[in-house]
Amino acid sequence: AQSVSQHNHHVILSEAASLELGCNYSYGGTVNLFWYVQYPGQHLQLLLKYFSGDPLVKGIKGFEAEFIKSKFSFNLRKPSVQWSDTAEYFCAVKGPGTYKYIFGTGTRLKVLA
Amino acid sequence: KAGVTQTPRYLIKTRGQQVTLSCSPISGHRSVSWYQQTPGQGLQFLFEYFSETQRNKGNFPGRFSGRQFSNSRSEMNVSTLELGDSALYLCASSLTGLDTEAFFGQGTRLTVV
Repeated sequence: AQSVSQHNHHVILSEAASLELGCNYSYGGTVNLFWYVQYPGQHLQLLLKYFSGDPLVKGIKGFEAEFIKSKFSFNLRKPSVQWSDTAEYFCAVKGPGTYKYIFGTGTRLKVLA
Repeated sequence: KAGVTQTPRYLIKTRGQQVTLSCSPISGHRSVSWYQQTPGQGLQFLFEYFSETQRNKGNFPGRFSGRQFSNSRSEMNVSTLELGDSALYLCASSLTGLDTEAFFGQGTRLTVV
């Protein structure tokens, strides 16, 4: 079955700490991978995406993610978090030629000032 | 340009009632998808419409239905509401549904009492 697993449901960090959020997926065939972020009271927005090529993808606001095909993983990283990164983060997959995203259950990140 | 607009933002309904939610996509976008977001479940795909045709449907009971109009605006309807239908309902729009990025609205928060 197609699925996405996010291992950390809640993460609390102090400002300037490094962040890594895990994401593993199960999907037969080629996938496109995404990280979306939902700031409090705001709409879901795209942080970064991977389709092909360099497995290290850079996104907005200093975020990056690495696609490791052998591990079916697409972990999100940021070297130094800020209070404004407090949000919920969703990993998602989408097969080429398909119309729907398969989302993970999300990780709530709280950054303490 | 204007983003994805969902109305209303908040709804409170009682069990057994029905509800209709509305989504206006970004101008020019013809694909509209609906997702249900609940704590611990993440986002679950409901259905996707393109040019007034439903192309894909998720694993939800028949009480959940939708439609799309010729101007690409979409509505979803939930009949015979249950307490478990309480959720944030998100609408996403894209040009074709096969795009590299979907744009999400802020959602409609439905509470069933």
